[in-house]
Amino acid sequence: QSVLTQPPSASGTPGQRVTISCSGSSSNIGSNYVYWYQQLPGTAPKLLIYRNNQRPSGVPDRFSGSKSGTSASLAISGLRSEDEADYYCAAWDDSLSGQVFGTGTKVTVL
Amino acid sequence: QLQLQESGPGLVKPSETLSLTCTVSGGSISSSSYYWGWIRQPPGKGLEWIGSIYYSGSTYYNPSLKSRVTISVDTSKNQFSLKLSSVTAADTAVYYCARHVFTMIVVVTSFFDYWGQGTLVTVSS
Repeated sequence: QSVLTQPPSASGTPGQRVTISCSGSSSNIGSNYVYWYQQLPGTAPKLLIYRNNQRPSGVPDRFSGSKSGTSASLAISGLRSEDEADYYCAAWDDSLSGQVFGTGTKVTVL
Repeated sequence: QLQLQESGPGLVKPSETLSLTCTVSGGSISSSSYYWGWIRQPPGKGLEWIGSIYYSGSTYYNPSLKSRVTISVDTSKNQFSLKLSSVTAADTAVYYCARHVFTMIVVVTSFFDYWGQGTLVTVSS
């Protein structure tokens, strides 16, 4: 049972901006960094955003992350067909002493 | 380039023990600042962290699985392994191994930057 809550789906047309929310608590998002992963169909997850809003080398600047209190968001601007994937937020939970993932959001490009 | 590869049986019987090994190439499993972790994903569902291990043997486990999980490391073979006991159909999943960047300095840094391709383990008689 995930402790980080995401909307199950999000969609947009090419070029649009899509935002995905991630809701947690004081023991995870509220006190630690948030990370985002992109999982293309049939592949392993890939780190997309680290430490709330940093992009690893090679990740387009169309992807951006933010955090406020016990919630975080991932924004995809200039949506492209290749962005169609599942997206997961993640954080360390101090109460559980463990890594927790979000419930996942499927992004569809219409 | 660091690479991770999972190996092990794709079919396990209920009540038995699931055993998987992750072989790391292109880098040393004994590197400081890195843990090595297991994550699983049931078909059509989300990601679940199972646990992580440091090369010294220090471990963190998901509390919901802790009673059934053992993660070990073999630095001489550059491998780490997962054992999950008393499996049921609910343990059917794609199991991934990954490098776990993990530090606890004021704010916890915890993320997975290199992943294996994953291996499907089905629990069925």
